[in-house]
Order: sequence, then C-alpha cells, then structure tokens
Amino acid sequence: GENVEQHPSTLSVQEGDSAVIKCTYSDSASNYFPWYKQELGKRPQLIIDIRSNVGEKKDQRIAVTLNKTAKHFSLHITETQPEDSAVYFCAAADRGSTLGRLYFGRGTQLTVWP
Amino acid sequence: KAGVTQTPRYLIKTRGQQVTLSCSPISGHRSVSWYQQTPGQGLQFLFEYFSETQRNKGNFPGRFSGRQFSNSRSEMNVSTLELGDSALYLCASSLGDRASREQYFGPGTRLTVT
Repeated sequence: GENVEQHPSTLSVQEGDSAVIKCTYSDSASNYFPWYKQELGKRPQLIIDIRSNVGEKKDQRIAVTLNKTAKHFSLHITETQPEDSAVYFCAAADRGSTLGRLYFGRGTQLTVWP
Repeated sequence: KAGVTQTPRYLIKTRGQQVTLSCSPISGHRSVSWYQQTPGQGLQFLFEYFSETQRNKGNFPGRFSGRQFSNSRSEMNVSTLELGDSALYLCASSLGDRASREQYFGPGTRLTVT
C-alpha cells in the first residue's frame, strides 16, 4: 500500500516568516494530495489540495507544490500568523481500487510565535 | 449546508464491551470513511462505505465493522473492546467519485476504554 512520510514533525517560526512542510509518497498511482489543518481538540479541516495534473496551487497565503517525478509534495505558508499554529497533515490517494482511502503522514506541529 | 456530524462525542466503556458510533454526512454525499486517530499511530483508515457498500477496508481486526444506510448515514461498531481501542474516531464524507475527491471530517467521537 501507499506510504506517506512527512517532515518535520515539529516546526517553530516567528510571526511573519514562512513555513514549509514536506511529504513524500511511495505509490506512483497516487494522484490526489490534500492537506489538513487540525487545531487542538478540533476536527481536521481541509485547507488545500492538488491533483497530479497540476504542479502548483495557491490560495492566499497557502500554496502546495507537487513533483511527480520525485514523488514529493510540499505545503508553503507565507506571512505566518499565530492562528496558523496547529498540526498539519498531508495525505495521498489514488483513483483506482482505493478511491476513497486517504493515506496520511504523521503530522507536523507548527507553532507560530508572536 | 450542515457539516458532518458524529454522535456521541464522548464515550467511556470497559474492556469487553461493544460500542456503536454514528456519522451523518453532508447532504448529498454518498461516501463515508472512518479513521482512527491516536498519538502513536496517527490517522489510520478503517473502512469506507459508498452507496451502502463497503468499498475499502483498512488493516484492522474483524472486531471493527461498519454499515451504511440508504440515507448515507453510517455506523461503526467495535466489539470486545480492548484498552488499545481508546482513540478519537473520525468519519469523513465526500461525494465519492473521481471528480470530487474532497473529504470533510466530522468532530469525532472520543472513545476511552478502561
């Protein structure tokens, strides 16, 4: 099955700085890559996703890049704010027999210091 | 639209008992996936139901089972509870087709087994 690795496990940045979280995947059939943000005691919230036919996607301060050849994708958060502090999860899925299944990374605890 | 709802939000059970958790997806969504979240193992896929049929299954013992009703609501059942089953159980709903891959999570059910 798919194996998703996520780094770093913890990340501390100063408010206003950028944060980058990286994930790698093993299954070349994976073609959908969502990112979730989970604040303490809350549900994971879908913040952005990318499909394998696209190399980059942006939504305001958040961007995701995908390198299919290297099988890695990254989340970029610019101008970080204290409310960006949360655990971020990357995930991967394919459209074959495991269409509805997401394979998650272990998460990155992001702390933004004011 | 109302979001994904889960009941109950908290449960305390003793070893050997069984438990049933419920998930109501977003209106119009036909797919419901269940995940177990623990600090040690992260987010692990249990199973996915689509149009009342189990479409995918993760690597969990047969004590974990589920079903989906004609209105897309889903239940999962855990029999003969073990201490290691203590976790946050999350369900996620989606349209379930290849064009619409986004999964939206419910708030979860926190299960504690004593």
